[in-house]
Amino acid sequence: AQTVTQSQPEMSVQEAETVTLSCTYDTSESDYYLFWYKQPPSRQMILVIRQEAYKQQNATENRFSVNFQKAAKSFSLKISDSQLGDAAMYFCAYRSSGTYKYIFGTGTRLKVLA
Amino acid sequence: NAGVTQTPKFQVLKTGQSMTLQCAQDMNHNSMYWYRQDPGMGLRLIYYSASEGTTDKGEVPNGYNVSRLNKREFSLRLESAAPSQTSVYFCASSRGIGDLRAEAFFGQGTRLTVV
Repeated sequence: AQTVTQSQPEMSVQEAETVTLSCTYDTSESDYYLFWYKQPPSRQMILVIRQEAYKQQNATENRFSVNFQKAAKSFSLKISDSQLGDAAMYFCAYRSSGTYKYIFGTGTRLKVLA
Repeated sequence: NAGVTQTPKFQVLKTGQSMTLQCAQDMNHNSMYWYRQDPGMGLRLIYYSASEGTTDKGEVPNGYNVSRLNKREFSLRLESAAPSQTSVYFCASSRGIGDLRAEAFFGQGTRLTVV
């Protein structure tokens, strides 16, 4: 069965600095998708970034980028120029292209210090 | 565009009471999901519906039932609520297999407390 592991329950970063959140996953599939979702105090789950496994190029969305290492089954999220509004719970998620289910990690709570 | 709408947002139940959480999406998505979120455990899949007319168990289905009423609506029922079902519940939807974007869209969540 596929699993997603986020080993950092909580992290802190100074405003304007860069932080990297870690995620590893286990799968025997070759075609899948990986996601980072942000959950602010409002509880709303917001998609931050998406990566298709067949793409070698790392995805980027403005200040958010990923380091996708397929062989190592690693999918980390880098947040540059951190802002107070980035403070939230971040979830890593996996979905095989041939299934419907999304599998989530346990989350990393990010604190941004002014 | 409302996206995924869940009702209610908050609910307190007594042990043994029943209730139904409602979910509707207006994005013409094929697949719908119910997750529960507990501290330190992430989101765990309760049930999902790959397409209208089908439902399947997820990781933690015990104590719950679901109904895919039509393509838009997917409800979650607690027949006899237990304190262990205190949680935040999320409904989500996606286009399904074959969608190149592949992401799930979430409702705002329901905080349920069983006393």
